[in-house]
Amino acid sequence: SQQGEEDPQALSIQEGENATMNCSYKTSINNLQWYRQNSGRGLVHLILIRSNEREKHSGRLRVTLDTSKKSSSLLITASRAADTASYICATVTSGYALNFGKGTSLLVTP
Amino acid sequence: NAGVTQTPKFQVLKTGQSMTLQCAQDMNHEYMSWYRQDPGMGLRLIHYSVGAGITDQGEVPNGYNVSRSTTEDFPLRLLSAAPSQTSVYFCASSSTGISNQPQHFGDGTRLSIL
Repeated sequence: SQQGEEDPQALSIQEGENATMNCSYKTSINNLQWYRQNSGRGLVHLILIRSNEREKHSGRLRVTLDTSKKSSSLLITASRAADTASYICATVTSGYALNFGKGTSLLVTP
Repeated sequence: NAGVTQTPKFQVLKTGQSMTLQCAQDMNHEYMSWYRQDPGMGLRLIHYSVGAGITDQGEVPNGYNVSRSTTEDFPLRLLSAAPSQTSVYFCASSSTGISNQPQHFGDGTRLSIL
């Protein structure tokens, strides 16, 4: 069942700008994961943040988690055209299921 | 380093036909799963396996069957295809369960049922 809801649904920026995407969820989580999906391809894992963590970095990516607001944000700094993709959050509550959101579609124009 | 390999990439079936979607991983991962992705919806779990010989149902298992005879392979069978099964199917794997491991995805099988 879908738990993560990304916002905005679509985002268009120019190269060099920062992109911020948000994910809200409804129930307590074990961890939250962000994935990237290029058109016609499978999902690629970006970052996993556990419920007891507040912030993680990986290269140009920065993820925050606010469990009191049940929300997470993904920041991509200095965007490039190659960052054009859908960005999907997934939550882990318990058991063996990841609950995926619909994704934010990011377009980065040169 | 192949990762997760899905075959075929595209398939068109007629209603009532059966077929098997193949998934293989070369990372010695214990956990494997199948998802379907439909327009306007998040990925939904069909079936999963925590190891060879062990499978269980996910959120949308009806019309699908799985088996796990080896660690490497996790085929998904459509028993009698229906137009509602038109979708993109993704196989994923991880070294252990999902609680603290990222999932590795294949590139999907795009299936159309006429």
